[in-house]
Amino acid sequence: SQQGEEDPQALSIQEGENATMNCSYKTSINNLQWYRQNSGRGLVHLILIRSNEREKHSGRLRVTLDTSKKSSSLLITASRAADTASYFCATGNRTGGTSYGKLTFGQGTILTVHP
Amino acid sequence: DAGITQSPRHKVTETGTPVTLRCHQTENHRYMYWYRQDPGHGLRLIHYSYGVKDTDKGEVSDGYSVSRSKTEDFLLTLESATSSQTSVYFCAISEPQRTDYNEQFFGPGTRLTVL
Repeated sequence: SQQGEEDPQALSIQEGENATMNCSYKTSINNLQWYRQNSGRGLVHLILIRSNEREKHSGRLRVTLDTSKKSSSLLITASRAADTASYFCATGNRTGGTSYGKLTFGQGTILTVHP
Repeated sequence: DAGITQSPRHKVTETGTPVTLRCHQTENHRYMYWYRQDPGHGLRLIHYSYGVKDTDKGEVSDGYSVSRSKTEDFLLTLESATSSQTSVYFCAISEPQRTDYNEQFFGPGTRLTVL
C-alpha cells in the first residue's frame, strides 16, 4: 500500500492563482520530498523537508510538514501554465541499514494551470 | 536526467517472452531503483540495489528479477512477461551519504507493452 496519499487527485486553476496539494502518510518518517513529473518524463526532485522542520521555501514553492497529523502540503504561488504537471510526495522512513535509501511515493496530484 | 539512461525506451513484446530493461548511470551513485508507474497506483518499487551485487525486493517484486554486476548498470528482467506487466518503468538513483538524505534522480522511463 502507498505510504503517501495525496489530495486532491486533480486540480485545475488559472494562471496567477495559488495551487495547494496535500499529502498524508501513515508511519514515522525522517523526511518528506515532493517531486514533479511532466507528461511522458521522469520525476524531478523539487524540495525536501526533514522531520524536524515545519516549513521550507524554495522560489515559488512552500512546503509545510505536520508530523503530529502525519501530513504535508505543497503550495505553488503565482502559478504559470508551465507548472502543469503531476506532483508526487514521497516519504523516507526511519529504518536504517540498506533500507535507508528507499522512498515510498503517493499516487500524485495532477495540476493543470490554464493560461 | 542527471546522467541516467534507460534502454530500450519503448518495447512491445508478447506474453511469455523474457524481457530485460537496462538502466545506466554515470553519477557513481550507490543506490539504484526500479519502479513501475500505473494509473491509479503512482510509483511502486519493484527492486532496488544498495551496491554491486547487493539487491533487495520492493513492494511489487513478483515476476521480476534484477542484477547489478557493476556500479553503473542495473538490469530488470521479466522472466516470462505477462499482460499485467504492461507499464512504464522508471529507474532512479541516489547516494544518501552524498546528497541531501535520499533524494532520487530519475531516468526517462521505458514504456513496455505486453500483448
